[in-house]
Amino acid sequence: DTAVSQTPKYLVTQMGNDKSIKCEQNLGHDTMYWYKQDSKKFLKIMFSYNNKELIINETVPNRFSPKSPDKAHLNLHINSLELGDSAVYFCASSWTRGNTIYFGEGSWLTVV
Amino acid sequence: DAKTTQPNSMESNEEEPVHLPCNHSTISGTDYIHWYRQLPSQGPEYVIHGLTSNVNNRMASLAIAEDRKSSTLILHRATLRDAAVYYCILQETSGSRLTFGEGTQLTVNP
Repeated sequence: DTAVSQTPKYLVTQMGNDKSIKCEQNLGHDTMYWYKQDSKKFLKIMFSYNNKELIINETVPNRFSPKSPDKAHLNLHINSLELGDSAVYFCASSWTRGNTIYFGEGSWLTVV
Repeated sequence: DAKTTQPNSMESNEEEPVHLPCNHSTISGTDYIHWYRQLPSQGPEYVIHGLTSNVNNRMASLAIAEDRKSSTLILHRATLRDAAVYYCILQETSGSRLTFGEGTQLTVNP
């Protein structure tokens, strides 16, 4: 069983569209994250949720809206996609006081 | 966030030990030292972490300097599957965010 799973793995879409990436973890963790890795391979945290509550919200355009319906799911919705949104988006999870973060395999988003 | 410095790239031969260095001169007393790696086209993967003492697990060993201003990740016998970007990260307290730097691209030659 995949511990942290994301869908879709690949997504090609046009500028201006709205798209969502879904994430689910089956590890029982209480904290989930979204990270973005750009073309230069830098990994930056975007959001963190603990027990469905937003606890980290980095400087991310408000076109990005995370939603956590329950502890096991954290979805990322992106409105009005721009070329610069092209990146790999990683979902991750951990325990609140944990030292280990488990990452999904990534969602490759290409905006054309 | 305290900063870490790693070489951009390193090379090793298969079945030889690899020592990946990391400098973190501004580390504070409660910062944990983490190592993650990212294989091509995959998400980052936890390797090891420590606070003050050296640590061993099935993947690697972590050697932490006495003053904690540097650490070394040791892969005892590199395999081709160990080719990845290795990130050294400081975590302020248990459970707080991980801030990734540029990492070291490890190439393993057959």
